[in-house]
Amino acid sequence: NAGVMQNPRHLVRRRGQEARLRCSPMKGHSHVYWYRQLPEEGLKFMVYLQKENIIDESGMPKERFSAEFPKEGPSILRIQQVVRGDSAAYFCASSPRTGGWNTEAFFGQGTRLTVV
Amino acid sequence: DAKTTQPNSMESNEEEPVHLPCNHSTISGTDYIHWYRQLPSQGPEYVIHGLTSNVNNRMASLAIAEDRKSSTLILHRATLRDAAVYYCILRDGATNKLIFGTGTLLAVQP
Repeated sequence: NAGVMQNPRHLVRRRGQEARLRCSPMKGHSHVYWYRQLPEEGLKFMVYLQKENIIDESGMPKERFSAEFPKEGPSILRIQQVVRGDSAAYFCASSPRTGGWNTEAFFGQGTRLTVV
Repeated sequence: DAKTTQPNSMESNEEEPVHLPCNHSTISGTDYIHWYRQLPSQGPEYVIHGLTSNVNNRMASLAIAEDRKSSTLILHRATLRDAAVYYCILRDGATNKLIFGTGTLLAVQP
């Protein structure tokens, strides 16, 4: 059973370009979470999704950022018109459908976005 | 979101036990206590979680105070590979999300 897969592992974008980060949850998991970690800082919650639904996006910046988790395929975190301050590591985690807070979440290795 | 308080850093010697404390005085009755750790340049890794009773697994033990306002993660024999940032997290039963604090940076000396 493969773990949470994130790609690309490293992404370089010029200011103003778009960044697309992909996350394939573990098999059988239907809950996906995205986190951002700025250099030398802790992980900040961004968004919580279930298949085809955004459950909690309270940590998402209001502009330029969007996330989706379609019925088929990976979850996508999309950043439009990137700026230098978007440079960070973005981590995805997944949890099983049942069990909620009594289950562990599995994290991917992250995508390190660098905006030049 | 319920908050946790941890020391910024701790040191241990290899092969010795390590006790990592966490205070969570505002914990609610349905919050589970989770511990994760993050090795350098890696994603967080699940360590252990519990509700009221002490828990053991192959990685660590979790001791939970009777009033649940604090807990301690116990690594029985620290190795150099245990050097990481350890996060104590209250998993919100209503929202299901993990809210990370600043964690404890554990250094293990040979």
